[in-house]
Amino acid sequence: GAVVSQHPSWVICKSGTSVKIECRSLDFQATTMFWYRQFPKQSLMLMATSNEGSKATYEQGVEKDKFLINHASLTLSTLTVTSAHPEDSSFYICSASADTSGGLETQYFGPGTRLLVL
Amino acid sequence: GESVGLHLPTLSVQEGDNSIINCAYSNSASDYFIWYKQESGKGPQFIIDIRSNMDKRQGQRVTVLLNKTVKHLSLQIAATQPGDSAVYFCAETNNAGGTSYGKLTFGQGTILTVHP
Repeated sequence: GAVVSQHPSWVICKSGTSVKIECRSLDFQATTMFWYRQFPKQSLMLMATSNEGSKATYEQGVEKDKFLINHASLTLSTLTVTSAHPEDSSFYICSASADTSGGLETQYFGPGTRLLVL
Repeated sequence: GESVGLHLPTLSVQEGDNSIINCAYSNSASDYFIWYKQESGKGPQFIIDIRSNMDKRQGQRVTVLLNKTVKHLSLQIAATQPGDSAVYFCAETNNAGGTSYGKLTFGQGTILTVHP
């Protein structure tokens, strides 16, 4: 149980284009999903918290107009990197939890999406 | 706040040895801690968790110890195997007022290399 998938697993795009990454909870309903970014040899950095049916909450320094997040259902959240540039190249990872009280549910992570912007 | 590491600590052990990976946290309000294992090119995989009302928890071949006095967390892996080679992250969270939505703060990570 508690399987989270991401699609695509890797993507290469040209500078200036937009890329959409999907995160799905396969065997549970996730009221909250999280999007992280990870650079090589570094830890995970939280970008935003996505709650089903409401606007995402972005961490300080993360541009909400550049990283569009939609959490339209209890099993799907999407991250769209708009007008991608080479500095957006990174490993994007989502996670999902099923807690409804903002409490201490464990987050289960997707396999990540490697984005390379040329 | 966020944890960003530029150079991850490393730990090299021989197959069969016990491994101990350490993590220090700074937020005294944190009350839930998780260890994750991340293999190259993959997402973090849950290993074991512990709540602040405990100081030790055991799983299969793994033990997590929590010392709230010095804000220290450790992961012990018994009889380490080559398949245990990965980056290990500790993560912490708290339920301050029920508004944190379980946001995790990750430690910088430790690279574990197990030699056959």
